[in-house]
Amino acid sequence: QKEVEQDPGPLSVPEGAIVSLNCTYSNSAFQYFMWYRQYSRKGPELLMYTYSSGNKEDGRFTAQVDKSSKYISLFIRDSQPSDSATYLCAMMGTSYDKVIFGPGTSLSVIP
Amino acid sequence: NAGVTQTPKFRVLKTGQSMTLLCAQDMNHEYMYWYRQDPGMGLRLIHYSVGEGTTAKGEVPDGYNVSRLKKQNFLLGLESAAPSQTSVYFCASSYSRRDTQYFGPGTRLTVL
Repeated sequence: QKEVEQDPGPLSVPEGAIVSLNCTYSNSAFQYFMWYRQYSRKGPELLMYTYSSGNKEDGRFTAQVDKSSKYISLFIRDSQPSDSATYLCAMMGTSYDKVIFGPGTSLSVIP
Repeated sequence: NAGVTQTPKFRVLKTGQSMTLLCAQDMNHEYMYWYRQDPGMGLRLIHYSVGEGTTAKGEVPDGYNVSRLKKQNFLLGLESAAPSQTSVYFCASSYSRRDTQYFGPGTRLTVL
């Protein structure tokens, strides 16, 4: 079993839809959770960074962490064509030894 | 502020050839990282550095060497390239291990 699993998609939604992206993980030591956005042929860029369980909101983006279920989500409200990208979840334990990335979910928002 | 830059952007090698990938950052970050990204595998850490003159192995270090002679530069070397090293290579840097990692644009390497 991989440490971090993520549905690769592709996920295709109409403009304005609410998008839900998810990751599951197996290591209960993970405490820091991140979402990166990666446009085609570009490097990843950080979208959201959360610690432990709970929700964090930033504009149209909400990150949710459920440590009891080892499950994290990223919600995108009022999705735009500019949101079309691959979304990578990532996580790290308190020992900060390394960041583990999920394989990414490809999202297309159709105008 | 250029952020993180990588040289070259593309490269094609023959099996057995060597090359060096250069990463430079202008954010005065202590930590620097080299990742490879393959379809379905996500980003995997090759080597990293916690400061000038230091290097450490990541998840997939075999076949690669690194050097951090200057704080702003992190070099990744392939001494004898193999087709299994065909990948997209990303460099990243961060102020500390817990802080945001900033990624470069990537180097697409093909080994024939």
